Parts: sequence; structure tokens; C-alpha cells
Amino acid sequence: SAVISQKPSRDICQRGTSLTIQCQVDSQVTMMFWYRQQPGQSLTLIATANQGSEATYESGFVIDKFPISRPNLTFSTLTVSNMSPEDSSIYLCSPGGYTFGSGTRLTVV
Amino acid sequence: QQQVKQSPQSLIVQKGGISIINCAYENTAFDYFPWYQQFPGKGPALLIAIRPDVSEKKEGRFTISFNKSAKQFSLHIMDSQPGDSATYFCAASRRGSTLGRLYFGRGTQLTVWP
Repeated sequence: SAVISQKPSRDICQRGTSLTIQCQVDSQVTMMFWYRQQPGQSLTLIATANQGSEATYESGFVIDKFPISRPNLTFSTLTVSNMSPEDSSIYLCSPGGYTFGSGTRLTVV
Repeated sequence: QQQVKQSPQSLIVQKGGISIINCAYENTAFDYFPWYQQFPGKGPALLIAIRPDVSEKKEGRFTISFNKSAKQFSLHIMDSQPGDSATYFCAASRRGSTLGRLYFGRGTQLTVWP
């Protein structure tokens, strides 16, 4: 199975700032999925990113808040912009679906 | 709308017992049903998965039972161990342009007492 590297593993950020999460995979994948897991909750899909096209966002998530880059088939970033305490969650990438990075635990203070 | 419904929300089992977690779905287009195990501070790890052309799949102490007509599937953990204590998520996926996109249940927190 693919080796997935997600960075940072955790961060504590001030409200109003932005954090960019990186996801690197050791093989090429067409689709990159980004999920959010709020404390004690299940996983919710934020958006799906295909290289060379705009990401597709799920209801309740917008590009201005969660911009995604997909410069090639092995790398993607998710930015959480203008953060508030409600953004405190674990953010997970899923290259190709079915497997997940180790997650980024974000706390906004 | 929750596309995959999971129960129970929490489960306490004695060591050596059988843990059973149930899930139900509505969308008949789903054709892949994985289970994930998540430990605190970690991402979900794929545990076992089944496709609807079989009624049961077993891997070690973990078994998925699948009932296509009832649109239900369940995870059975035999001889449950304290190390199995984790949160378990069922999920469903379908082919096509959204291949790989998962719909998750709400999760079951399993505690196995020694």
C-alpha cells in the first residue's frame, strides 16, 4: 500500500491565521480526498482534488476557507484560512481513497 | 442526511467475548464496504472490506457479514482483546467518477475489559 506523509502532525494556531497542511504520497494517484474529523465525530469529506482541475467542494465547505492545491499526482495541500476555534479538528488526506494519512490535529485558540 | 447508519455508539465487551457492530445503508449504488479502526491520535486504518457479491469475509479474528437484501453489514470481532479497544467506523463507497469517496458511519467506541 502507498506510503502517505502528512505534515504537520499537530499545530496550535491563533484565530484569524491560516495553516497549510501537506500530503505527500509515494505513488501517483488521480484523486486526492481531504476529510475533517471534529472532536469525537466521524469523518466528513471537505473536497476532492484532481490534478489539473479545480477541487470539488462538499456542501458546507468553500474554496475561500479551504483552498486546495494539487500541483502533481503525488502531492497536495489543504489550507485552513482565517481560523476560528470551530476549525479545531483533525484533518486527513486520503490519496486515491480508502487509505489515510496520519492526520493533522489542529487546535485554534 | 446520514448515508450510512452505525450502531451502537459505544460497546463494552469482556476479554474473549464477541464484539458486534452494525451498519445499514440506503443507496444501492454502493458496492464497497470497508471497516476502519482508529486509535486516539491516529488516522483511520483500513481493517477489512467486502464487496456485495459475497455474504461474508473473514480475516483472522475479524469477520464482515453482509446482507444485500436488507442493506446491512456488520463487523464481528471474535475473542476480543484489550488491544482492540478503539473507535470503529463503517463506510461505503461506489464506483464511477467518485471512486474512492467514502461515506462514513458515526463510529463505535469499543472498550474491551481485561
